[in-house]
Amino acid sequence: DGGITQSPKYLFRKEGQNVTLSCEQNLNHDAMYWYRQDPGQGLRLIYYSQIVNDFQKGDIAEGYSVSREKKESFPLTVTSAQKNPTAFYLCASSKVMDTEAFFGQGTRLTVV
Amino acid sequence: GDSVTQMEGPVTLSEEAFLTINCTYTATGYPSLFWYVQYPGEGLQLLLKATKADDKGSNKGFEATYRKETTSFHLEKGSVQVSDSAVYFCALILNQAGTALIFGKGTTLSVSS
Repeated sequence: DGGITQSPKYLFRKEGQNVTLSCEQNLNHDAMYWYRQDPGQGLRLIYYSQIVNDFQKGDIAEGYSVSREKKESFPLTVTSAQKNPTAFYLCASSKVMDTEAFFGQGTRLTVV
Repeated sequence: GDSVTQMEGPVTLSEEAFLTINCTYTATGYPSLFWYVQYPGEGLQLLLKATKADDKGSNKGFEATYRKETTSFHLEKGSVQVSDSAVYFCALILNQAGTALIFGKGTTLSVSS
């Protein structure tokens, strides 16, 4: 079955530690995205990538970093510079940008 | 800037009631419009879409019509079920290269039996 796999589903980290969230897709999509979801705030775009080896900042990129070395993979690193990292993180992909996106199941990150 | 505004929730209904969730948008040009649904603890699933004015998207008994004159894309269902309880997101995408989905804040629907 084609889809988007995010791992792990739940992640706990101590304050000050970097953590990397995994996102893999086997839909052969060119574009991939990371969104952050907080209660009552909807989804906010962190980073996106239109093609391999290229990515752009979204609306709330500070404290995050990404890489896109393979078409299938778009990992997100939450660095210690992110002031409020506890949130639900959603990865998505689309055939190209400006078309509908398909989402993974999300990773809930809790920083203690 | 471009944005989506949804009615605030939560919306609480009894089973078999009629559902409307309002969505209006502000956008340059002519966007495509979407409704996504999120069940507890899960990611988002595309529910329906419309790509041009007067198009009607439909799926699983839900419908929404792209109204350019009122810049709206209201979600409706004639008879809701308990299993429809979820968060519903309205979203748009500008039909321009290099743009990503823009989401509303979501509306929580709770259906009781």
